[in-house]
Amino acid sequence: DADVTQTPRNRITKTGKRIMLECSQTKGHDRMYWYRQDPGLGLRLIYYSFDVKDINKGEISDGYSVSRQAQAKFSLSLESAIPNQTALYFCATSGGQGTSTNEKLFFGSGTQLSVL
Amino acid sequence: GNSVTQMEGPVTLSEEAFLTINCTYTATGYPSLFWYVQYPGEGLQLLLKATKADDKGSNKGFEATYRKETTSFHLEKGSVQVSDSAVYFCALSSGGYNKLIFGAGTRLAVHP
Repeated sequence: DADVTQTPRNRITKTGKRIMLECSQTKGHDRMYWYRQDPGLGLRLIYYSFDVKDINKGEISDGYSVSRQAQAKFSLSLESAIPNQTALYFCATSGGQGTSTNEKLFFGSGTQLSVL
Repeated sequence: GNSVTQMEGPVTLSEEAFLTINCTYTATGYPSLFWYVQYPGEGLQLLLKATKADDKGSNKGFEATYRKETTSFHLEKGSVQVSDSAVYFCALSSGGYNKLIFGAGTRLAVHP
């Protein structure tokens, strides 16, 4: 079984709809992240969380919200989806402590979201 | 601000050819540097990393050296295989707490 599981794998939705992407992990990590991947732009950080009481905005958080329901679960929501949110979304975890900056990230397989 | 620039792809090589994928960065302080690889249909996986100047990261025949004087972290492999076909991302850690900044990615296609 995968250590970092994202659901759904693919989703097609319409403009204005609310949608939630879910991520769960069995690695026991405190740190979780949401990235989006666009062709030619690489991955950009949307939100990150270092424990269940900690939520931080990344570089492109507008139009998104997150919920850290438990150590193992981190959900990303689009309150009112728009076409330019069509992208591949990745959840990731890391086991870093304190201010560590060189910990390995473990990625899920991604959710391909299309907003029509 | 901090940023990572990679050579544009795709890079197309024959099996057993030498590979170089260029990566340069802009950062304040002393970032850690990474190469991640994404195989088709999968999430990214850490390939190698270097945490200080002159460090060499290596894994699976790939190498990259942290060059502070040229702000570079170029990825090299002496003899590529078809199974190395993937997208390669250069990244740096920024502002502590393991937040990564990624380059745009370079697609590598290796033909028999």
